[in-house]
Amino acid sequence: AQSVTQPDARVTVSEGASLQLRCKYSYSGTPYLFWYVQYPRQGLQLLLKYYSGDPVVQGVNGFEAEFSKSNSSFHLRKASVHWSDSAVYFCVLSATGNTGKLIFGLGTTLQVQP
Amino acid sequence: GGIITQTPKFLIGQEGQKLTLKCQQNFNHDTMYWYRQDSGKGLRLIYYSITENDLQKGDLSEGYDASREKKSSFSLTVTSAQKNEMAVFLCASSILGGAGAETLYFGSGTRLTVL
Repeated sequence: AQSVTQPDARVTVSEGASLQLRCKYSYSGTPYLFWYVQYPRQGLQLLLKYYSGDPVVQGVNGFEAEFSKSNSSFHLRKASVHWSDSAVYFCVLSATGNTGKLIFGLGTTLQVQP
Repeated sequence: GGIITQTPKFLIGQEGQKLTLKCQQNFNHDTMYWYRQDSGKGLRLIYYSITENDLQKGDLSEGYDASREKKSSFSLTVTSAQKNEMAVFLCASSILGGAGAETLYFGSGTRLTVL
């Protein structure tokens, strides 16, 4: 079965600190993987996506993620967080190539403290 | 750039009531989606549509109807609102709907409360 696990429901970091949000997926083939961010009272916005090639993908606002097939992971990183990064972050898997079959993780709420 | 507009932003209904949520997009995207977002449960797909007058059921379609009469609009009907139900309904669109690495563009949601 295909699934996405975000093991941390909530992460709190200080402004200027580095960040890693974890994502593990379950799928036997080559996945399409995404990170979306949801700011308060807004819809989701794409941060970055991976579907082939370099396992480290760059996204908007200084975010990057690294795909690891051996670890079935797609962790999100940022070198220095800003208070405006406070939001909910979703890891998303597309296993079949059908956008109607996206699998969302439960999300990680990031709180950046000043 | 385009935008997805969801109306209303807030919807309060009574138990058993039929409620309709509307979504408009000006991206000229082929595919549109309705997701339900519950606290602690992530996003679950209710319906999607790959073109005008097409409807595809998602994992959560029971209790809902959908309609895609125009390419730019996609409506969702809660056929009988459940007491104490609270959720956010998110509309999204994508260019084609068939390629696995497509980006979804989301509206800001309709927040439903059932009294």
